[in-house]
Amino acid sequence: DSGVTQTPKHLITATGQRVTLRCSPRSGDLSVYWYQQSLDQGLQFLIQYYNGEERAKGNILERFSAQQFPDLHSELNLSSLELGDSALYFCASSVSPSKSTDTQYFGPGTRLTVL
Amino acid sequence: DQQVKQNSPSLSVQEGRISILNCDYTNSMFDYFLWYKKYPAEGPTFLISISSIKDKNEDGRFTVFLNKSAKHLSLHIVPSQPGDSAVYFCAASGGGTSYGKLTFGQGTILTVHP
Repeated sequence: DSGVTQTPKHLITATGQRVTLRCSPRSGDLSVYWYQQSLDQGLQFLIQYYNGEERAKGNILERFSAQQFPDLHSELNLSSLELGDSALYFCASSVSPSKSTDTQYFGPGTRLTVL
Repeated sequence: DQQVKQNSPSLSVQEGRISILNCDYTNSMFDYFLWYKKYPAEGPTFLISISSIKDKNEDGRFTVFLNKSAKHLSLHIVPSQPGDSAVYFCAASGGGTSYGKLTFGQGTILTVHP
């Protein structure tokens, strides 16, 4: 158990809908990262937050957004869902992003299925 | 542009033998490398890491070697156990403003036979 929690574990929805994925980082970690794992793309970095502020962005679609709240939990919002958004979404956390030598610990993931 | 590559999709090893998983990278700005293990329906689990200022890091049965000139790292598992059967991902971070981002390889499926 990494200490990172994600809810829900599974999510099934229809195209065009909007969903929210939630992540709670390990106790003491200030930085949260979101990754997408799809069959053809592997694990891809989406976005990073540190202490409530966005720090880095990857190949995140404009239909996707995220935020980190004062209690440090984070939410990833996916809207206007398409079939291709079906994937595993992982959250990771680390103590600080101030140096690259900072290990990220991953949650169990949310499996999103768009029908 | 795949900056981290694991060229072997799978590896099969006998229990008790050594497992060697390989990873190549192209971005010379990477300065921290990690190995993660992943079981189906679970998140990646951190195994071991190495900073670019070192060439070897050891933790129990797991050793990671880094060859900066060749932009190559490898994970050695000795002795291999059936419980080690999983997907292994190599990841790298560092380089400019994206130092928080991990870039992953495609993964290698390790099967350890009893």
